Amino acid sequence: DSGVTQTPKHLITATGQRVTLRCSPRSGDLSVYWYQQSLDQGLQFLIQYYNGEERAKGNILERFSAQQFPDLHSELNLSSLELGDSALYFCASSVGGPEKLFFGSGTQLSVL
Amino acid sequence: QQQVKQSPQSLIVQKGGISIINCAYENTAFDYFPWYQQFPGKGPALLIAIRPDVSEKKEGRFTISFNKSAKQFSLHIMDSQPGDSATYFCAASWSGTYKYIFGTGTRLKVLA
Repeated sequence: DSGVTQTPKHLITATGQRVTLRCSPRSGDLSVYWYQQSLDQGLQFLIQYYNGEERAKGNILERFSAQQFPDLHSELNLSSLELGDSALYFCASSVGGPEKLFFGSGTQLSVL
Repeated sequence: QQQVKQSPQSLIVQKGGISIINCAYENTAFDYFPWYQQFPGKGPALLIAIRPDVSEKKEGRFTISFNKSAKQFSLHIMDSQPGDSATYFCAASWSGTYKYIFGTGTRLKVLA
């Protein structure tokens, strides 16, 4: 167990809908990373927060947004969902900088 | 310039053999090069990592070889076991930002 908790584990929704994925980092970790994993794209870096502030942005679509709250948990919001957004979404945390990442078990999103 | 190119995409090795996975990068600002191991249904977990000031790091049966001038690094798994069957990701990050970039993954199968 990595200590990173992601909910829900599975999510099935329809095109055009909006969903929220939640991540609780390991106790003491200040950084949260979000990744999208699809079969043909590997692990795509979406966005990273450190102690509530956005610090790095990757290939995140404008329909996606995220935030990190004062208690350090993070949420990834996906809106106007398309079929191509179906993927496994991982959250990872680290103590601070971009060194050892601890991954959660992921949220499997299926857009029908 | 922020990509990490990983090969091969898949690899089949006999039990007891050596598994070799290669990665190449372009951004010389990268200063941390980890390898992650992912089993089906799980998030990636850190296996071993290296910094560019050393050319090799060994932990048990796992060794990273690093070639700074060629901007390449590789994972060697000695005496490969069926339990090593998993997907392996190389990654790169740099402390100047919080970005953490992964390769596309190598699916390793070790035959008993």
